[in-house]
Amino acid sequence: DAGVTQSPTHLIKTRGQQVTLRCSPKSGHDTVSWYQQALGQGPQFIFQYYEEEERQRGNFPDRFSGHQFPNYSSELNVNALLLGDSALYLCASSFLSGGYSYEQYFGPGTRLTVT
Amino acid sequence: QKEVEQNSGPLSVPEGAIASLNCTYSDRGSQSFFWYRQYSGKSPELIMFIYSNGDKEDGRFTAQLNKASQYVSLLIRDSQPSDSATYLCAVIKAAGNKLTFGGGTRVLVKP
Repeated sequence: DAGVTQSPTHLIKTRGQQVTLRCSPKSGHDTVSWYQQALGQGPQFIFQYYEEEERQRGNFPDRFSGHQFPNYSSELNVNALLLGDSALYLCASSFLSGGYSYEQYFGPGTRLTVT
Repeated sequence: QKEVEQNSGPLSVPEGAIASLNCTYSDRGSQSFFWYRQYSGKSPELIMFIYSNGDKEDGRFTAQLNKASQYVSLLIRDSQPSDSATYLCAVIKAAGNKLTFGGGTRVLVKP
């Protein structure tokens, strides 16, 4: 049973560039949430996708956008990269049942460095 | 006031002892509570979740929830050097499904 997968593992980009991160949820899960974790801090919620729509969004600018595909996989796009976007980007998958998702399981993360 | 607060540590524990971690939350509407373990450079791993007041045990781990006092704790019995990690407390509010995390408590188990 495959767990949550993310690609790429590491990424180095220059300020102003754009980046796309990818996530495949755990088998049987239909919901993908994205989090940003800066060094020494807890993860911060970016947004959540269910049924190919953004279901909930955290306090992140519009430079952060996403997409969910019919197979439940998801992408996170960040435009006009800033140095402060350097972080570990985590994807978490869960099963949304009755409008309330329970446990969320994280993928290995993508380490983004902006220079 | 932060929504979820944890002591950053480090919490230094001798091998074989009990490690006790605490977490407080501000929103009384919070319904589900989670403990994640995160090794340096790795992603968080779910180790415990608790939804009702009281204790929940799983192996060497015990989660305790007190909604009236708005705190959740994690006990690690017979601590091992491999338990050295950062432990993240997270809550889900009743109205949504996002996890809100504390800053984490770093635990060091010394042989």
